[in-house]
Amino acid sequence: RKEVEQDPGPFNVPEGATVAFNCTYSNSASQSFFWYRQDCRKEPKLLMSVYSSGNEDGRFTAQLNRASQYISLLIRDSKLSDSATYLCVVNMAQGGSEKLVFGKGTKLTVNP
Amino acid sequence: NAGVTQTPKFRILKIGQSMTLQCTQDMNHNYMYWYRQDPGMGLKLIYYSVGAGITDKGEVPNGYNVSRSTTEDFPLRLELAAPSQTSVYFCASSYSRHRTEAFFGQGTRLTVV
Repeated sequence: RKEVEQDPGPFNVPEGATVAFNCTYSNSASQSFFWYRQDCRKEPKLLMSVYSSGNEDGRFTAQLNRASQYISLLIRDSKLSDSATYLCVVNMAQGGSEKLVFGKGTKLTVNP
Repeated sequence: NAGVTQTPKFRILKIGQSMTLQCTQDMNHNYMYWYRQDPGMGLKLIYYSVGAGITDKGEVPNGYNVSRSTTEDFPLRLELAAPSQTSVYFCASSYSRHRTEAFFGQGTRLTVV
């Protein structure tokens, strides 16, 4: 099983649509989870952290299910500016230290 | 507001040449990372460091070396460049295991011909 797996996408949605991305991770001891956004030919940037109780930031909602080792990101009322690749990121323990592991990303295109 | 600075931004290497990708951060972060991203693919971890003097291999370390003599700097060395190392390289840093939001440099686009 890959350490972090995401929906392969791509997703093409109209403006105003609601879209959801899913991600699973292999290490049950992982403690920190994030969604990053990466625009074309740019560096990844943090979109939001994912907390156990779930959290919301405007039109974005992140959920964590530890039992199923599953993370999700919901985007409501999609905007053209939401077009990007969304990366699921998990902080994984390894030999006494920790490392950030990135999923391959899911590309979203929001169409007018 | 420098954050994470990578140099150079672009480079073309011939097969067999060597180079060092520079990365420096001014946020006093303990953790630093080097990733590569191939076209249409995700980020793959090359090496990472949890503090000065401590480095560890990631998923794809072959063909690369790193050092971490200071908190600020984490250079990545390519020896004997190969076409398979054509990629975009990102350096990142984060504060600690409990505050692990990673900040990225703008990337180095490397082509090996």
